[in-house]
Amino acid sequence: AQRVTQPEKLLSVFKGAPVELKCNYSYSGSPELFWYVQYSRQRLQLLLRHISRESIKGFTADLNKGETSFHLKKPFAQEEDSAMYYCALRGYNNNDMRFGAGTRLTVKP
Amino acid sequence: ETGVTQTPRHLVMGMTNKKSLKCEQHLGHNAMYWYKQSAKKPLELMFVYNFKEQTENNSVPSRFSPECPNSSHLFLHLHTLQPEDSALYLCASSQDGAGGPGELFFGEGSRLTVL
Repeated sequence: AQRVTQPEKLLSVFKGAPVELKCNYSYSGSPELFWYVQYSRQRLQLLLRHISRESIKGFTADLNKGETSFHLKKPFAQEEDSAMYYCALRGYNNNDMRFGAGTRLTVKP
Repeated sequence: ETGVTQTPRHLVMGMTNKKSLKCEQHLGHNAMYWYKQSAKKPLELMFVYNFKEQTENNSVPSRFSPECPNSSHLFLHLHTLQPEDSALYLCASSQDGAGGPGELFFGEGSRLTVL
């Protein structure tokens, strides 16, 4: 079965501080991992996906198959990063996308 | 209109009512989804349609009935719902191809309250 765990419901950091949002998963096959973000009064949208291996808005995430993790990191948080972040997983070539419970990030001035 | 549009944005219904949620995507995508987001649970996948054919049904109660008349429209018909069905219902679409399913594009959701 697919499962995504985000252990932190809330995370608060100061502007300019590093931030790491944790995501662990369980899946028996070959997973695709994603981070989706929902800013205040906006719809849920894709932030990044592991197969792209790119940095979006300064965020990066590395898939660690040994630790079954896909943590989201940014070296210097900005106030505009405050949002709800969801880690998501699906199997390769599979429409069944499963989401974690989400982490609400607050970046304080 | 662009993207994924959901109507109504808010709906209040009694347990004996019949209502429908509508989703329309203007992105030319070939797959559409219904997700349920409630306060106490993560986003739950309910249904997936690929090329108008239902490919996923995550053990959803029969009081929820999806309909996908074409690749741009998706409905969720609701009847004899329970108060615990109160939630935000999100529609999404994606363009799926040989490389697998594409990125999900979400609507703003329909907030349902069952009295």
